[in-house]
Amino acid sequence: EVQLVQSGAEMKKPGESLKISCKGSGYIFTSYWIAWVRQMPGKRPEWMGIIYPGDSNTRYSPSFQGQVTISAGKSISTAYLQWSSLKASDTAMYYCARISDNSGYYYPMDYWGQGTLVTVSS
Amino acid sequence: DIVMTQSPDSLAVSLGERATINCKSSQSLLYSSNNKDYLAWFQQKPGQPPKLLISWASSREFGVPDRFSGSGSGTDFTLTISSLQAEDVALYYCQQYYSTPFTFGPGTKVDIK
Repeated sequence: EVQLVQSGAEMKKPGESLKISCKGSGYIFTSYWIAWVRQMPGKRPEWMGIIYPGDSNTRYSPSFQGQVTISAGKSISTAYLQWSSLKASDTAMYYCARISDNSGYYYPMDYWGQGTLVTVSS
Repeated sequence: DIVMTQSPDSLAVSLGERATINCKSSQSLLYSSNNKDYLAWFQQKPGQPPKLLISWASSREFGVPDRFSGSGSGTDFTLTISSLQAEDVALYYCQQYYSTPFTFGPGTKVDIK
């Protein structure tokens, strides 16, 4: 069974750093792109970027380029999303999701993690 | 970026009746080389991640009830729930994966009348 399990909720202060994780199982983790998606309260999901865990090839949405870093540890089937200096506006639910086909990333996202709630407040 | 819009913002339908949600993209999602529309529909219930219902505009995912159907091509798409059930109360999003950044519509809230 394909599963993506994300790390737990985080409460941080502005200016702090954070790295959240997404561990895949039930499939060949290195062969499928993983996407990160932000959903602010009451808003539509926003695609942040993707990573191919096999070689850490990464693509970012221009809206998030330079604001976050996406990485992966292929030996432990885990993808990461990190911030070096959080802002209050980073408060949101963050999801990882698998791109459904192993031949590229122009495919829908079929399996999703349960989400990691990040709250940034002084 | 491709802009996705949806209508209506919300709708209330009686149990067993039809619900129709429209989605429009700012440019065509039809890739001519394979004649496929790069459009997905998701269902999201409170406290849950989005769930993929339909890909390629009209292909229902495994396990999705056949009362859900997708149609349309190019820039105009529709999600239809043929006979609304109580468990279908949710937010529904369309999403394009034709070009990055992949973008979502604003969502349509479906309730029971």
